[in-house]
Amino acid sequence: GIQVEQSPPDLILQEGANSTLRCNFSDSVNNLQWFHQNPWGQLINLFYIPSGTKQNGRLSATTVATERYSLLYISSSQTTDSGVYFCAVAMWDDKIIFGKGTRLHILP
Amino acid sequence: SAVISQKPSRDICQRGTSLTIQCQVDSQVTMMFWYRQQPGQSLTLIATANQGSEATYESGFVIDKFPISRPNLTFSTLTVSNMSPEDSSIYLCSVPAGATSDNEQFFGPGTRLTVL
Repeated sequence: GIQVEQSPPDLILQEGANSTLRCNFSDSVNNLQWFHQNPWGQLINLFYIPSGTKQNGRLSATTVATERYSLLYISSSQTTDSGVYFCAVAMWDDKIIFGKGTRLHILP
Repeated sequence: SAVISQKPSRDICQRGTSLTIQCQVDSQVTMMFWYRQQPGQSLTLIATANQGSEATYESGFVIDKFPISRPNLTFSTLTVSNMSPEDSSIYLCSVPAGATSDNEQFFGPGTRLTVL
């Protein structure tokens, strides 16, 4: 089956720093999403981005479907950005496959 | 976006018992999905709940352990049967925004289960 790899697995940054999270996938996908799981376990939709670039405030994402990767950029990090960031891809058979996530710690 | 609620939000259960988790959506959807997230791990798809037909289970998950009901297009239940401490996880339901998951997926708030 398809492999979804996220890097880095863990990231510790000072408040105000910028970061780039990467998601590689091993096969063609129908769509790709980025989620933020907060410390209470809630999954928050960040981007639905099968291709191209989107921006939402301090966050932006780019997916290059032909090269099978996606990047999530976080600028001017805040402590509330802490948590786990998941990349998830949807296959032709409608199944969503999650990567293992990047655990982000923002220090005050 | 869909509004999804789950009940209960959390529970602590004894080994050998069963727990039924409910998922309610504010609009009619063709497919609903159930996921498990074990402590410190990513999300794993348990099954697809289809209205009017049997659920479709992923490798490693069986109906006897995780029976699913889908009585209508806005509601589904997942039962965790004969629980053991290894079943301690967050269980989440999700729905696609469109007719298939070839659209944005939205997740419920999750049910945090602890088995003693």
